[in-house]
Amino acid sequence: NAGVTQTPKFQVLKTGQSMTLQCAQDMNHEYMSWYRQDPGMGLRLIHYSVGAGITDQGEVPNGYNVSRSTTEDFPLRLLSAAPSQTSVYFCASSYAPGAGELFFGEGSRLTVL
Amino acid sequence: GNSVTQMEGPVTLSEEAFLTINCTYTATGYPSLFWYVQYPGEGLQLLLKATKADDKGSNKGFEATYRKETTSFHLEKGSVQVSDSAVYFCALRGISGGGADGLTFGKGTHLIIQP
Repeated sequence: NAGVTQTPKFQVLKTGQSMTLQCAQDMNHEYMSWYRQDPGMGLRLIHYSVGAGITDQGEVPNGYNVSRSTTEDFPLRLLSAAPSQTSVYFCASSYAPGAGELFFGEGSRLTVL
Repeated sequence: GNSVTQMEGPVTLSEEAFLTINCTYTATGYPSLFWYVQYPGEGLQLLLKATKADDKGSNKGFEATYRKETTSFHLEKGSVQVSDSAVYFCALRGISGGGADGLTFGKGTHLIIQP
């Protein structure tokens, strides 16, 4: 019973490098999302998807890109990493948009030097 | 837009003390309300939820009642344990009309229980 799986758990990047955080869920959830968690800021929504082929911006989308080619996967891409993107990233999914609880992955801690 | 305000910590209590963490919200319509808990080094886990006014969510000795008249969802526990030490997040989710339909979180309350 995997639930929501995120990789990698830890990553260190240099400014300007690119990388992809992977997220996969095996619950056939339509809704998937990415949050970042920063001290004193709580969790803020970066991007979300209400189904395969559909993505949209959340509260803090700048510097991030997403795609949703399958129901299971929702990767988050950092195109040119900046120190301000140092954070803990969480992927979360739910059965439907706007309803019910979100199931979270264990998080990916990213440090940008 | 939607927003959640919760007391910020850290909150330090002795074991077996009574716990209240206040949470108030602003939202259009009738959102669902949640408390999530994050233990050190882990992701967020759902602690309890309520989907309509006057509903009471409960789990592991924690309770919270959805109060529409005061737009509140305060978390309570009668006797806390050291193992309850964690960060607690109040959150809401509803059909915002703006399309996001994700969770709106409070900033989190760090709870420390001393033996």
